[in-house]
Amino acid sequence: GNSVTQMEGPVTLSEEAFLTINCTYTATGYPSLFWYVQYPGEGLQLLLKATKADDKGSNKGFEATYRKETTSFHLEKGSVQVSDSAVYFCALSDLGQGAQKLVFGQGTRLTINP
Amino acid sequence: EAQVTQNPRYLITVTGKKLTVTCSQNMNHEYMSWYRQDPGLGLRQIYYSMNVEVTDKGDVPEGYKVSRKEKRNFPLILESPSPNQTSLYFCASGGGRLGEQYFGPGTRLTVT
Repeated sequence: GNSVTQMEGPVTLSEEAFLTINCTYTATGYPSLFWYVQYPGEGLQLLLKATKADDKGSNKGFEATYRKETTSFHLEKGSVQVSDSAVYFCALSDLGQGAQKLVFGQGTRLTINP
Repeated sequence: EAQVTQNPRYLITVTGKKLTVTCSQNMNHEYMSWYRQDPGLGLRQIYYSMNVEVTDKGDVPEGYKVSRKEKRNFPLILESPSPNQTSLYFCASGGGRLGEQYFGPGTRLTVT
């Protein structure tokens, strides 16, 4: 079945550091790929998405490129802020359930120190 | 404001005592889903619903029930909770745009 693997956390960085969170996937067909973010005490929010190979999703300074050849969708940000501290989930859309079903990675907790 | 609401936010209960977690969305979405979140496992789907009166099992349905009598509501029922159901639960709804789901704030359940 389809699956998503993220880099192990937690990840701790200093403010203004460069961020990469690795994500790779296994899927049949051509799923859409997503990054969701969960701030403390809240539900998940869609951060960015890419629907086909070589697409780049971007939002709030974060970027991720759909790499079909390496089955990856790594999340990057050039200069992180304390407010970026959260748990980040990589996900793909499964073809089942009208393509609404999401398959999530295990999440990566990010802490940014001032 | 477009939102998914869940109640209660926190619940401590004992083994075997039936409980219901409510979920409601105000976006007229047809698709709704329940997930549980456990450390190191990410989110796993419990049940989903494609529309009113249409529900089906997700990846970890054992010990749970759902119903979808109205489009906006999708309650999660634990008829005889057990300690292994201690978890953080999220309800979500989808508007049809691929993968763009809206999540509730979560319900932290502890079963002793």
